[in-house]
Parts: sequence; structure tokens; C-alpha cells
Amino acid sequence: DADVTQTPRNRITKTGKRIMLECSQTKGHDRMYWYRQDPGLGLRLIYYSFDVKDINKGEISDGYSVSRQAQAKFSLSLESAIPNQTALYFCATSTGGNEQFFGPGTRLTVL
Amino acid sequence: QKEVEQDPGPLSVPEGAIVSLNCTYSNSAFQYFMWYRQYSRKGPELLMYTYSSGNKEDGRFTAQVDKSSKYISLFIRDSQPSDSATYLCAMSPAGLGDKIIFGKGTRLHILP
Repeated sequence: DADVTQTPRNRITKTGKRIMLECSQTKGHDRMYWYRQDPGLGLRLIYYSFDVKDINKGEISDGYSVSRQAQAKFSLSLESAIPNQTALYFCATSTGGNEQFFGPGTRLTVL
Repeated sequence: QKEVEQDPGPLSVPEGAIVSLNCTYSNSAFQYFMWYRQYSRKGPELLMYTYSSGNKEDGRFTAQVDKSSKYISLFIRDSQPSDSATYLCAMSPAGLGDKIIFGKGTRLHILP
């Protein structure tokens, strides 16, 4: 079984809709991250969480919100999706060191 | 100037060739340097990391850091078709593992 799972793997939605992407991990790591990956722009950090009570904004948090429901679960929400949020979204975990463990990604298309 | 610059490629080389992948950076606070490998439709996976300057070897892979030039490299010897992937350099300041900055990634194709 995968250590970091993301659901859904693919999603197509319309402008203005609310979308939630979910991430679960069985690695027992405290730290969790959400990134988006765009061609030509690489990986950019959206939000990160050190534990259930700690949420921090990353480089590009505008238009996104997160919820850390438990140590193992970290959700990313787009309150009102717009086309330029079309991207590949990755969840990652770490122990706080330099290695991050990534999920398989969610491909989101906003029409 | 962006903090980390990486040529996106694609880079195509014949099987068995030596591959050189590179990144430059501008932030002299970076102390940890990493290479992640990302296969198509997968998340990135850590391939190698080094601390400060110097070389590190792991099988067919060698990571090299030149802090004086703010330049890092990944060499792949005896390249195989299974090495075809996107390679992302990444770096962070000392002790701040959460402040990782990723390069855009270089797409590598190894031709059989």
C-alpha cells in the first residue's frame, strides 16, 4: 500500500465550484505539505502544517485553504475554482528533515 | 533572478552515455542540496542529497556541489532507458528542511 495517498487522482470541474483534494498518510510523519506543479514553473508550496494545530501559508496560498483533520490527513480546498488553478497538485510529508515523501498527485482541470 | 534556475530540457541522450544535469542558485544561505526524480504520472522521489560543497556518489549517480560558483550537478553514468524521467534539483538553508526550493525540473530521455 502507498504511504501517501491522494484522492481524487483526476478531477474536472467548472469555474466557481468548490473543490476539496484529500491527502492521507501512513508514514506517521508530523509535517504535511501541499504543492502545485505547473509546466515551466515547477513545484510551488501552497500550505504546510507542522502538526494538527499548526498551519502555515506557503508561496502561493491565495485562493486556497487547508484543514488538518488529524495527524494523517491534510485537505486542500479551492473555495471558488478558477481556470488558472488548473495544475497537478501534490501532497507531501516529512519528519522535518530534507527528504519529503510525495503522493501520486491529483490532476485538476478547471473549465 | 529566480532563486534556483534549471534548464527544463528536454534532454535526449543515447543509452550508455554520461548525463550531466545542472542547476544554479542565487541564495548563499542554501546548505542542503537535493536531487529528486519524477517519473511520468508519479510524485517526485528523493534520489540524492549532499550537505555543503563536495561530491557524493551512489552507484551510477554522482552529485556535485560547488558553492563558490553556486552551481550543482548530477551525473548519471551508463545511462539506462529506466533513467528517463524529470529530475528536479532542490535546496534549503541549513536546519530549515521545510524551506525547500525546487528547480523547474529537466526532462531526460534515454534513447535505447
